Amino acid sequence: AQSVTQLDSHVSVSEGTPVLLRCNYSSSYSPSLFWYVQHPNKGLQLLLKYTSATTLVKGINGFEAEFKKSETSFHLTKPSAHMSDAAEYFCVVRNAGNMLTFGGGTRLMVKP
Amino acid sequence: DGGITQSPKYLFRKEGQNVTLSCEQNLNHDAMYWYRQDPGQGLRLIYYSQIVNDFQKGDIAEGYSVSREKKESFPLTVTSAQKNPTAFYLCASGGAGGAGYGYTFGSGTRLTVV
Repeated sequence: AQSVTQLDSHVSVSEGTPVLLRCNYSSSYSPSLFWYVQHPNKGLQLLLKYTSATTLVKGINGFEAEFKKSETSFHLTKPSAHMSDAAEYFCVVRNAGNMLTFGGGTRLMVKP
Repeated sequence: DGGITQSPKYLFRKEGQNVTLSCEQNLNHDAMYWYRQDPGQGLRLIYYSQIVNDFQKGDIAEGYSVSREKKESFPLTVTSAQKNPTAFYLCASGGAGGAGYGYTFGSGTRLTVV
C-alpha cells in the first residue's frame, strides 16, 4: 500500500520569501512522484514530476522538489514567493499499477 | 491542442434526479479517472478505467456509475442513491504503463443539489 502525507494543511509566507511545502510518502514500489497546483475552482496543473532520472526536479514557475529516498520525502520549494503562487498544492504518488494517491493538500497563502 | 474537456462547468441537481457529467479527452490516453473533491479535502477516487469497455470502482463508488464505450469519453452519472453529491468533480487521464507519463486533469464540474 502507498500513502502520501502533506505535513502542513496551510502555509503562509510573505511575498519574496522562500516557500517550503512538505511531503512524505510511503510506497512498496519505486514510486513516481508529482506535485500539482490547483487555483480556486480550477483543475489541477502539473508542476513537476520525479521518475528516478534525477533527484532534484525543476518544474514550472520556479518551483523545484528534491527526492530523498532515505527520508521518504519529496518537499516542494521556491526561492521567492509571488502573489500568483497562492493556491492549493497536492503531492501525489503513482504506483506501478498506474494508480494515483493524493496527499490532503496544502493551501499556500502569500502576504503582500 | 490536446486536453481534457469537462462539461458543464456548473450543474444544479434537484433531489432524486440523476445527472451525468461529461469528460472527453483527445490525448489518446488509455486510462481515465473520476475524482471527487470536497472543501478543504484532497481528491478521492470514484471510478477509473484502464481500457475501453472496462472500469473499476474506486474508494467512493457508491451512488455513482460510469461507462467507457469509447477511448475518448468517460461520463460519470451521479444517481439519486448518492446522498451527498454536492462537490467538485475532476476527471483525469493518463498514458498506460511506465513511469514518466504525466496525468492531465480537466477543469472540473461543480455540482450543487438544490
